[in-house]
Amino acid sequence: DGGITQSPKYLFRKEGQNVTLSCEQNLNHDAMYWYRQDPGQGLRLIYYSQIVNDFQKGDIAEGYSVSREKKESFPLTVTSAQKNPTAFYLCASSIRGSVGGNTIYFGEGSWLTVV
Amino acid sequence: GEDVEQSLFLSVREGDSSVINCTYTDSSSTYLYWYKQEPGAGLQLLTYIFSNMDMKQDQRLTVLLNKKDKHLSLRIADTQTGDSAIYFCAESRGNTPLVFGKGTRLSVIA
Repeated sequence: DGGITQSPKYLFRKEGQNVTLSCEQNLNHDAMYWYRQDPGQGLRLIYYSQIVNDFQKGDIAEGYSVSREKKESFPLTVTSAQKNPTAFYLCASSIRGSVGGNTIYFGEGSWLTVV
Repeated sequence: GEDVEQSLFLSVREGDSSVINCTYTDSSSTYLYWYKQEPGAGLQLLTYIFSNMDMKQDQRLTVLLNKKDKHLSLRIADTQTGDSAIYFCAESRGNTPLVFGKGTRLSVIA
């Protein structure tokens, strides 16, 4: 089945550690995104990539890094520089210039907790 | 940047209609979207409307768009307990990522 797969679903991180969240899509979408969700804050854009080997910062990129070496993969690293990383992380993808505008589709999310 | 605004909470009785409102910011937005998020899950696309339309209906869902006031609404007819979720409004500003509201938490009382 086509879709967006995020892993792991739950992740615990010790302070000072880097962790990487995986996101893979088999929809042949050009663009991929990472959002962070905190209670009552809605979605905030961390990074996005519209094409392989290129990505742009979103609204809250500090303390995060990404790579886009393959069209289907867009991993997010939460570095030790991110002071408050506990949140729900959502990966998404879209076809550029699709009939439905810039409709994006989401994975099931990953919970990151700092212990 | 400017925000997409939604009220945070809505409570309705089972069987009643729910109306979730959204005010967006960019009069040149081409598409406007409604997404649904159930607890602990990702966002599911419910529907979208193109900016040259006033209304779109899909089974129990009706989307109304008032471009003059930059107001979008989602009406859910015959609301069921399974409709309890967070509903997000989003606008498309050209080829940039969608801009989301903070979401409206719909609670359905049996």
